[in-house]
Amino acid sequence: DAGVIQSPRHEVTEMGQEVTLRCKPISGHNSLFWYRQTMMRGLELLIYFNNNVPIDDSGMPEDRFSAKMPNASFSTLKIQPSEPRDSAVYFCASRPAGGPNTGELFFGEGSRLTVL
Amino acid sequence: AQSVTQLGSHVSVSEGALVLLRCNYSSSVPPYLFWYVQYPNQGLQLLLKYTSAATLVKGINGFEAEFKKSETSFHLTKPSAHMSDAAEYFCAVSGSNQFYFGTGTSLTVIP
Repeated sequence: DAGVIQSPRHEVTEMGQEVTLRCKPISGHNSLFWYRQTMMRGLELLIYFNNNVPIDDSGMPEDRFSAKMPNASFSTLKIQPSEPRDSAVYFCASRPAGGPNTGELFFGEGSRLTVL
Repeated sequence: AQSVTQLGSHVSVSEGALVLLRCNYSSSVPPYLFWYVQYPNQGLQLLLKYTSAATLVKGINGFEAEFKKSETSFHLTKPSAHMSDAAEYFCAVSGSNQFYFGTGTSLTVIP
């Protein structure tokens, strides 16, 4: 079974450009999480969805960030306009349906974003 | 509210020596605890998890962790370190539909 699939794996863009990161969760999983990882701040939760509905977006740093989950098999994280401080590795993770406190997260390989 | 604290952001051990990575948790309800490993340029991979069954949990690659309620700890151990164990290790607790990760411990294995 395929794992969590993220694209692109690497993105280099210039400040002010729009960036869209994509995620396909594992089939049958009903929760999806977006994390950002940097050396300075470690692993930060940006937003998570349950059954395609955003539950907690308090980690989204600014209005420049937005996330959507139009269906159970696809999610996007958009940054518009991008800034150099957004440079980081962005991870998507999904969790299977069932007891909310027992299922582990399954991570994608990450999207490494560099904003020049 | 749930949280985890990892003691020591960097740990170095010699090849063949005991690995001990420390994690303490805070939880108002029985916790579900996890250890993840991250190799360079990769995503996080589950090592093991505790979900209120046996207090000693065995994971992949020879790692294990013991849940100690009295100490609110969930330390990760491996009897003999291999060079391939060099990575970043994260402790996490699950609750309220969220995951709370520690700040990570970078493990270096010295040949």
